[in-house]
Amino acid sequence: KAGVTQTPRYLIKTRGQQVTLSCSPISGHRSVSWYQQTPGQGLQFLFEYFSETQRNKGNFPGRFSGRQFSNSRSEMNVSTLELGDSALYLCASSLVGVGVNEQFFGPGTRLTVL
Amino acid sequence: KNEVEQSPQNLTAQEGEFITINCSYSVGISALHWLQQHPGGGIVSLFMLSSGKKKHGRLIATINIQEKHSSLHITASHPRDSAVYICAVERSEKLVFGKGTKLTVNP
Repeated sequence: KAGVTQTPRYLIKTRGQQVTLSCSPISGHRSVSWYQQTPGQGLQFLFEYFSETQRNKGNFPGRFSGRQFSNSRSEMNVSTLELGDSALYLCASSLVGVGVNEQFFGPGTRLTVL
Repeated sequence: KNEVEQSPQNLTAQEGEFITINCSYSVGISALHWLQQHPGGGIVSLFMLSSGKKKHGRLIATINIQEKHSSLHITASHPRDSAVYICAVERSEKLVFGKGTKLTVNP
């Protein structure tokens, strides 16, 4: 069974630009969660999608958004990039969500904002 | 103060040693997760537990809900165990993470 895949793996952008990251969950998994990891703040929860609906949201500004498609693939978008958005962005999939099933993490997308 | 505190931040051990990593949290939770992150970023879920103790191979995780404390033990440590170990607590169907413990096991 293929694992969680994320594209692209590396990305360099400049301040003010926007970026879209993609996550393909394990086949059959309906929940996709997104996380941001920085050296200063560690891992932080961004949001969770289940059956194309945002079910939960972390404490991030509205510049961070996401969506989920009918095949459970998910994208997250960051608009008006700031230097502080440089981070490793991880997605994780599970059958029905956190707390019920184990989460399986993707390899991450490393975003650098110059 | 962080909701989830891990200790130690860094740990160096010799191959074969018994290792303990601690996690304390300050709020009510529905479950606690232990994760392993290797250089390069990939994260693997090791345990999800809400009470008692779980064991997978050389890894043992325990949780004491009353004391709001969990421990991850590694028996007979090996250099391939070198990684960052992250504790995360589950509240309102969200994960809140500790800062991680960087473990280095020398041969």
